[in-house]
Amino acid sequence: GAVVSQHPSRVICKSGTSVKIECRSLDFQATTMFWYRQFPKQSLMLMATSNEGSKATYEQGVEKDKFLINHASLTLSTLTVTSAHPEDSSFYICSARFGGGYLSYNEQFFGPGTRLTVL
Amino acid sequence: KQEVTQIPAALSVPEGENLVLNCSFTDSAIYNLQWFRQDPGKGLTSLLLIQSSQREQTSGRLNASLDKSSGRSTLYIAASQPGDSATYLCAVISGSARQLTFGSGTQLTVLP
Repeated sequence: GAVVSQHPSRVICKSGTSVKIECRSLDFQATTMFWYRQFPKQSLMLMATSNEGSKATYEQGVEKDKFLINHASLTLSTLTVTSAHPEDSSFYICSARFGGGYLSYNEQFFGPGTRLTVL
Repeated sequence: KQEVTQIPAALSVPEGENLVLNCSFTDSAIYNLQWFRQDPGKGLTSLLLIQSSQREQTSGRLNASLDKSSGRSTLYIAASQPGDSATYLCAVISGSARQLTFGSGTQLTVLP
């Protein structure tokens, strides 16, 4: 149980295009989803926190208009990188948290990540 | 603001050796602490999660301890194998938003 998927796993796009990444909780309802970014040989940095049905909360320094997050249902959150540029190339990882039940109240379950390369 | 530090940043050991990875955090008011493994270019694999009320957790050759009052955790790997080579990340959940804060990781290489 507690499986989180991401799609696509890898995407290469031209500069100026927009890219959408999906994060799904497959066997539980995620009241909260998180988006992280990881540069090579660095740790994960939290970009934003989204609760189902409400606007995402972005961390300081993360551009809201650049990284659009939608959490329209309890099993799906999307991250759209708008007008992508080479400096947006990174590894993006989502996680999902369930509010109760058999899963730990605080534990986050991670997706496999999406490698974005902007040419 | 919570800060998580991992020492050492990199470690290379011969196969069969027992080893310890260290993690420290600045704010002891945590909900839990989690150890992850990350292989190059891959996502995270959760290894062990310790609730704030617990002192340690064990899974196979792995043992993680938590001393919340001193803000420290250790991950002990017994009888290391080349397949253990990866980056190990420590993370804590804290704050009103219950967010995960990650350390910078320890890159482990186990030599055959």
